[in-house]
Amino acid sequence: QITLKESGPTLVNPTQTLTLTCTFSGFSLDNTGMGVAWIRQPPGKALEWLALIYWNDDKRYSPSLKSRLTITKDTSKNQVVLTMSDMDPVDTATYYCAHVELRLPGFDFWGQGTLVTVSS
Amino acid sequence: EIVLTQSPATLSLSPGDRATLSCRASEPVTNNYLAWYQQKPGQAPRLLIYATFNRATGIPDRFSGRGSATDFTLTISSLEPEDFAVYYCQQYGRSPMCSFGQGTRLEIK
Repeated sequence: QITLKESGPTLVNPTQTLTLTCTFSGFSLDNTGMGVAWIRQPPGKALEWLALIYWNDDKRYSPSLKSRLTITKDTSKNQVVLTMSDMDPVDTATYYCAHVELRLPGFDFWGQGTLVTVSS
Repeated sequence: EIVLTQSPATLSLSPGDRATLSCRASEPVTNNYLAWYQQKPGQAPRLLIYATFNRATGIPDRFSGRGSATDFTLTISSLEPEDFAVYYCQQYGRSPMCSFGQGTRLEIK
């Protein structure tokens, strides 16, 4: 049974750096083919893919946000961390992490999401 | 950079009707890696279909996907009350690595 859960601040100030942690169980990022992605959704709007990291430390980023994003993994803790710098009110959204593996090109398990509000 | 356009934006149908949702890509989707998700209010998206036509685990067979290259379709053969939700398509593998469409809202008529 694969589960994921996002954690981090619910409120950040403009210009601050956001750090979100995805803690997962039911799979290991040591295993070939496994990956974890981050996706966000502003209130009432569409999904937006942010970043993805694979078991082999291959990292992919949304081109429009690449300069602000960093994704890392800690396989010993079963965690993936996303940092986003220079936060702005337009970054207010629910942030999700999700499981992916190469043999199944889709995000098959999702966390519940965490709402992050950017405001002073 | 590949862009996915979904149509219609809103689809108004009744339970028992057949629903056809469209997703058009600005460039061919790599390996036809096109997925569909369902999202209900306050919930995370749920994977329905991956790689164009493969149903994810536990998805009823009234959901089906088809298409290739730039044109893809999700069909719900006979709508159940729980199917009214927002549906997103997603491509996986072409620059950017992943992208979503803007969604189709399926509402009760």
